[in-house]
Amino acid sequence: SQKIEQNSEALNIQEGKTATLTCNYTNYSPAYLQWYRQDPGRGPVFLLLIRENEKEKRKERLKVTFDTTLKQSLFHITASQPADSATYLCAPTTDSWGKLQFGAGTQVVVTP
Amino acid sequence: EAGVTQFPSHSVIEKGQTVTLRCDPISGHDNLYWYRRVMGKEIKFLLHFVKESKQDESGMPNNRFLAERTGGTYSTLKVQPAELEDSGVYFCASSRTGTGFSYEQYFGPGTRLTVT
Repeated sequence: SQKIEQNSEALNIQEGKTATLTCNYTNYSPAYLQWYRQDPGRGPVFLLLIRENEKEKRKERLKVTFDTTLKQSLFHITASQPADSATYLCAPTTDSWGKLQFGAGTQVVVTP
Repeated sequence: EAGVTQFPSHSVIEKGQTVTLRCDPISGHDNLYWYRRVMGKEIKFLLHFVKESKQDESGMPNNRFLAERTGGTYSTLKVQPAELEDSGVYFCASSRTGTGFSYEQYFGPGTRLTVT
């Protein structure tokens, strides 16, 4: 069955450093992959989308890579700030109508 | 532009009762999705509307759940009768017209449902 794995342990990082999150998927080939941010008590907020034929995507301090051979996406937050503290969800998805399949998320804690 | 709104924010009901959740998508968004997160698990898809039509309801757990989207605007999700395992946070999301393939989804704040 399709499986999405994100590191369940919280990532504690010092302000200014780069946070790197991993999303691995098995038993399917997603056509695209989205990353969302979720704060406590709120719904997920879209950050980035990358397609299977794209290797890398950037948006301000965020960078996403998509390696279809390794079946993995890496999500980087450079020059991290305390305001970046949140849970980050990956959604490698095959559905052309947009049905999202989420990983469980990785919590990031950025300390000053 | 107003975001996706959901009502109520929190509902506590007893097992066997009925609850109706409401979602108002962003105006002009034809795609409307319902998702659910139960305790300790990932967010799971429930169903997808395109305008007033159900495009995909493969994630609906059972026939105790009924979703509607009258007139292609707001949507309701009714649980009748509620069971303990229905407890969780129910999210609604919407996205622009056309296929959902490359469009970001805008999520509401969720409704926390507690069944006792």
